[in-house]
Amino acid sequence: QQQVKQSPQSLIVQKGGIPIINCAYENTAFDYFPWYQQFPGKGPALLIAIRPDVSEKKEGRFTISFNKSAKQFSLHIMDSQPGDSATYFCAASISRNQFYFGTGTSLTVIP
Amino acid sequence: DTGVSQNPRHKITKRGQNVTFRCDPISEHNRLYWYRQTLGQGPEFLTYFQNEAQLEKSRLLSDRFSAERPKGSFSTLEIQRTEQGDSAMYLCASSHPGLGLYEQYFGPGTRLTVT
Repeated sequence: QQQVKQSPQSLIVQKGGIPIINCAYENTAFDYFPWYQQFPGKGPALLIAIRPDVSEKKEGRFTISFNKSAKQFSLHIMDSQPGDSATYFCAASISRNQFYFGTGTSLTVIP
Repeated sequence: DTGVSQNPRHKITKRGQNVTFRCDPISEHNRLYWYRQTLGQGPEFLTYFQNEAQLEKSRLLSDRFSAERPKGSFSTLEIQRTEQGDSAMYLCASSHPGLGLYEQYFGPGTRLTVT
């Protein structure tokens, strides 16, 4: 059973566009929602994370929007660049013990 | 480089053989996690340690898998009697409560191919 459902599977945007990646969950006990970026041959790297008592968080060009009632959260990448081309994973955790990852979104930013 | 390191980076083994992977976490990180990632999927939690204690283990982890962290520093993951379905990337991550509330830092992974 997939604890965190992620969409879309792949995304292509022009440079400067704003790709949006969505995730949904069912377990209301989750209390930490991170997003990771992964390049081929590398381990995932934390981009930004949010707790359920906050509706939005921005760090640089990355923004998380969180809708607690809908049990959904999304990643927005402002002014996307070709260097942002990577696979993005959302995740959810209870007390940072066990992390559940989405299936990933492959993002391509066209110059 | 003071990041998480994993060895070996690649391992090819024949079905039925045992393999062992090592993870060296960032110094003083007290939590260490093991994940498995197959192509096109997100990392799948296997187990985690707080210091030397193994606190959680995925129900998906068969008895052929065992992990240790004997002195609360490096960790090893052993797979006995490997099967072709074990072929995957095995990722290790470490974290510390004083850094972004247990923000996980991942290593580069060990890619296992079972022939």
